Amino acid sequence: QVKLVESGGGVVQPGRSLRLSCTASAFTFSNFAMHWVRQAPGKGLEWVAVTSFDASDKYYADFVQGRFTISRDNSKNTVFLQMNTLRIEDTAVYYCARSHLVYYGMDVWGQGTTVTVSS
Amino acid sequence: EIVMTQSPATLSVSPGERATLSCRASQSVSSNLAWFQQKPGQAPRLLIHVASTRATDVPARFGGSGSGTEFTLTISGLQSEDVAVYYCQQYSRWPFSFGPGTKVDIK
Repeated sequence: QVKLVESGGGVVQPGRSLRLSCTASAFTFSNFAMHWVRQAPGKGLEWVAVTSFDASDKYYADFVQGRFTISRDNSKNTVFLQMNTLRIEDTAVYYCARSHLVYYGMDVWGQGTTVTVSS
Repeated sequence: EIVMTQSPATLSVSPGERATLSCRASQSVSSNLAWFQQKPGQAPRLLIHVASTRATDVPARFGGSGSGTEFTLTISGLQSEDVAVYYCQQYSRWPFSFGPGTKVDIK
């Protein structure tokens, strides 16, 4: 069964860092672009970042402002989101999702991991 | 940045009736548009991509149309399990942006 499982969420103080992971199974991970999308409590979906299948292309939402870095380890079927200088407004459920190409629809999603930024 | 808007914000439809959801892009996205369904407490699910192509295992009552800046998601014959929030998303240019969503419920 094709699956994505996120981990690494938690409660963190403003200004601190957190690294999220997303591990894939039952498909050839290295053939797919991978995205991070977030959803603040009671709000809509917000795209965060994408990496191409080989990490040669990476794009970010404007609000990231150099604070987040997406990376991947194809040998471990895992994509990461390193989040630095976290703000209260970064509080959200963070989903990873795959797409066949960077410029394509996200067809498989994980269940999400919750990040709470609070003092 | 391409801004996506959706209307209406909430749509109440009787069972078996048609639901028509609209999505507009602030500039042309060609056919690089997807529709997602999200039920409470669940992750989003891809329904439609390339504006009109149903994703795997999506029932035929879900249909997408449009190109450029105007898009429509039609649910023909609403069922109780279709109660959800529906989002459109453009992937023509990064940052890939979502619309604010349309909440569909049963009248």
